[in-house]
Amino acid sequence: KAGVTQTPRYLIKTRGQQVTLSCSPISGHRSVSWYQQTPGQGLQFLFEYFSETQRNKGNFPGRFSGRQFSNSRSEMNVSTLELGDSALYLCASSSRPEANYGYTFGSGTRLTVV
Amino acid sequence: SQQGEEDPQALSIQEGENATMNCSYKTSINNLQWYRQNSGRGLVHLILIRSNEREKHSGRLRVTLDTSKKSSSLLITASRAADTASYFCATGNKLTFGTGTQLKVEL
Repeated sequence: KAGVTQTPRYLIKTRGQQVTLSCSPISGHRSVSWYQQTPGQGLQFLFEYFSETQRNKGNFPGRFSGRQFSNSRSEMNVSTLELGDSALYLCASSSRPEANYGYTFGSGTRLTVV
Repeated sequence: SQQGEEDPQALSIQEGENATMNCSYKTSINNLQWYRQNSGRGLVHLILIRSNEREKHSGRLRVTLDTSKKSSSLLITASRAADTASYFCATGNKLTFGTGTQLKVEL
């Protein structure tokens, strides 16, 4: 069965722009989580959605937002991009929410802000 | 802030040797998970151990959990070059990751 698909794989944006990243979970998985990975801060939790509802949110500014659609696909949006937003953004899906089961991760979207 | 801290930060061993990495965490947990990441790619789920379990095996992997010490260890037996990767422990509803152990297995 297909894995977690993240698009695009690479993205270059300019400071001040906004960006939308997409994640298609494994078929049947209704929980989608997003993470930011940087060399300095490591892996940090952004938010988790389950059945179109945000269940948990990390400590990121309001410029970071997300949503989940009825088919469980999820998008995250970052507005007014800053240089520090350059990172690998990872999406993970699970059949159940709140990390009680293992997550399957996508290959990530590498965002570079110039 | 990181919930978990892996130790050591980096580990270099020869193929065929065993690799042990440790994870300490701060708050009570329902479960602890270990993941592997190859060179900036996505993470691969290795094993999940629940708070009422003390040891779990999966192939060449052995995980232990000591909730009284808030620590876990991951043992990879008979390591291979393909095991070269970063290994992370993760806990909590928001799946908070540790800082990772970079394992290098040399031929």
